[in-house]
Amino acid sequence: KAGVTQTPRYLIKTRGQQVTLSCSPISGHRSVSWYQQTPGQGLQFLFEYFSETQRNKGNFPGRFSGRQFSNSRSEMNVSTLELGDSALYLCASSSRPLDTEAFFGQGTRLTVV
Amino acid sequence: DAKTTQPNSMESNEEEPVHLPCNHSTISGTDYIHWYRQLPSQGPEYVIHGLTSNVNNRMASLAIAEDRKSSTLILHRATLRDAAVYYCILDVNRDDKIIFGKGTRLHILP
Repeated sequence: KAGVTQTPRYLIKTRGQQVTLSCSPISGHRSVSWYQQTPGQGLQFLFEYFSETQRNKGNFPGRFSGRQFSNSRSEMNVSTLELGDSALYLCASSSRPLDTEAFFGQGTRLTVV
Repeated sequence: DAKTTQPNSMESNEEEPVHLPCNHSTISGTDYIHWYRQLPSQGPEYVIHGLTSNVNNRMASLAIAEDRKSSTLILHRATLRDAAVYYCILDVNRDDKIIFGKGTRLHILP
């Protein structure tokens, strides 16, 4: 079966713009989580959605938001981009909320200039 | 905050076993121990997880100390493709989220 698909793979944006990233989980998985990875901070949890509801949120400002659709696909939005938002954004899917094996996508590399 | 402690990096020779340690002294009775690894330019991938007993799968073995305050991921015969950052993670049921620490960067020498 197809793995976790993240689009786009690469993105360049300007400070102040907003961006929307997409994640399609493995078919049948209802939990999608988002992570930000930077060289300095490592992998940091952003938020998790299960059945269209946000269940958990990490320590990120309100500029970072997300949603999940009825088909379990999820989007992450970052508004008013800052240079520090440049990172690899990863999503992970699992059948249940992260108590067993989670599958990660290859990520979206966002560069803010 | 990450609840696990791992060495920053380790080296091993190809085709030799590798033991990757992890300390998790604050673990509680219901916390699972998960290991993920991240190969260069890829997202993390699941390796193994366990609760109390040692676990084996096709990728690795997980040895859990009797007091559960530490565990060791064992790669029985390392290959160059095992070079990656290995993350030891506590799955805290109350939070239902994966918190990654810094991980151990494993270098495999040919």
